[in-house]
Amino acid sequence: DTAVSQTPKYLVTQMGNDKSIKCEQNLGHDTMYWYKQDSKKFLKIMFSYNNKELIINETVPNRFSPKSPDKAHLNLHINSLELGDSAVYFCASSGGAGVETQYFGPGTRLLVL
Amino acid sequence: SQQGEEDPQALSIQEGENATMNCSYKTSINNLQWYRQNSGRGLVHLILIRSNEREKHSGRLRVTLDTSKKSSSLLITASRAADTASYFCATDPRAQKLVFGQGTRLTINP
Repeated sequence: DTAVSQTPKYLVTQMGNDKSIKCEQNLGHDTMYWYKQDSKKFLKIMFSYNNKELIINETVPNRFSPKSPDKAHLNLHINSLELGDSAVYFCASSGGAGVETQYFGPGTRLLVL
Repeated sequence: SQQGEEDPQALSIQEGENATMNCSYKTSINNLQWYRQNSGRGLVHLILIRSNEREKHSGRLRVTLDTSKKSSSLLITASRAADTASYFCATDPRAQKLVFGQGTRLTINP
């Protein structure tokens, strides 16, 4: 059974479009995260939710908006996509907030043309 | 600059040899974690070492932590082709957030 799943796996879209990435975890964890990994493999946290409450909101353009409908789901909506948004986006979850072992999804490869 | 920085950036060794990767960080931490990322996949947790621990083992993995030098090392013994991956250290410079380095890309040659 997949612990942390993301859809879609690949996303190719034009500049200016709006897109969403979905994430679900079946581990019963309280905390979920979105990370962005750039072409140099640098992985940076974007957002974190604990029990549906936003607890980390890094310096991310407000075109990015996370939504957590329940503890098991954390979606990421991106408005007005730009070329620089091209990256791999990873969802992760952990049992507690932040410093515990995190379980990552397979990633969503976003390419903005 | 990043909280955690891995060294070397890339490492290529022969199968059966040992691989050592290092991680340096800047501020005090509660724990340090190592993760592996295979090409095109998500990160997988390998091992967590707490700030009051100096060494930890898990199978062929050995992690050391020197808080006085703010550094950690990951040793993979008797490497296998399947160990080819990128390895990241992650620290918790403040509560609720892990900070990852840019990783060491390890290649095991048959």
